[in-house]
Amino acid sequence: GESVGLHLPTLSVQEGDNSIINCAYSNSASDYFIWYKQESGKGPQFIIDIRSNMDKRQGQRVTVLLNKTVKHLSLQIAATQPGDSAVYFCAENMDDYKLSFGAGTTVTVRA
Amino acid sequence: NAGVTQTPKFQVLKTGQSMTLQCAQDMNHEYMSWYRQDPGMGLRLIHYSVGAGITDQGEVPNGYNVSRSTTEDFPLRLLSAAPSQTSVYFCASSYGTSGSNEQFFGPGTRLTVL
Repeated sequence: GESVGLHLPTLSVQEGDNSIINCAYSNSASDYFIWYKQESGKGPQFIIDIRSNMDKRQGQRVTVLLNKTVKHLSLQIAATQPGDSAVYFCAENMDDYKLSFGAGTTVTVRA
Repeated sequence: NAGVTQTPKFQVLKTGQSMTLQCAQDMNHEYMSWYRQDPGMGLRLIHYSVGAGITDQGEVPNGYNVSRSTTEDFPLRLLSAAPSQTSVYFCASSYGTSGSNEQFFGPGTRLTVL
């Protein structure tokens, strides 16, 4: 889940700028985290994941940072494009394969 | 591969009616799950299955039944629909190994209960 104060439900970003989406998770025992992107009318789509033995993982234009000390996760999108407009969810692996999702952040890219 | 498929895409029910939401995957995934998504909220786990013949409850199981007779199919049954079950329902599947358990989601079923 997400804690008030760290999670912003909406984010407006200028095209070409970098986006940072934050998420706080609840279970210090969680060992696996995933970021999903959900476009309007579609199911969530995997973006990137990270295990608890890592602090950082990079993909194509995306980077996930994990701070286990404060139970915080962030997703950085480089050079944000109009196609990045969507709702972004973080999810933590609570137990076996069960994922707990945050409420999501709606990202709007301004032309 | 078709991935995870769900039918129907849209459904309107009257209170008290029953129906089954279908979910199928062709990736030979062991793990399958059902989520509901309500406005302004993340996905909440309804039921899940770690393999054929094995199901268990998630966070919000009341009013729903599931079965897993085959690896491919994981239907969700609403026994007596209530307006509180108006939601978008997503089915997901994953390999369910000790490695990455990335879940692949279907396109969703939008259910309205009047």
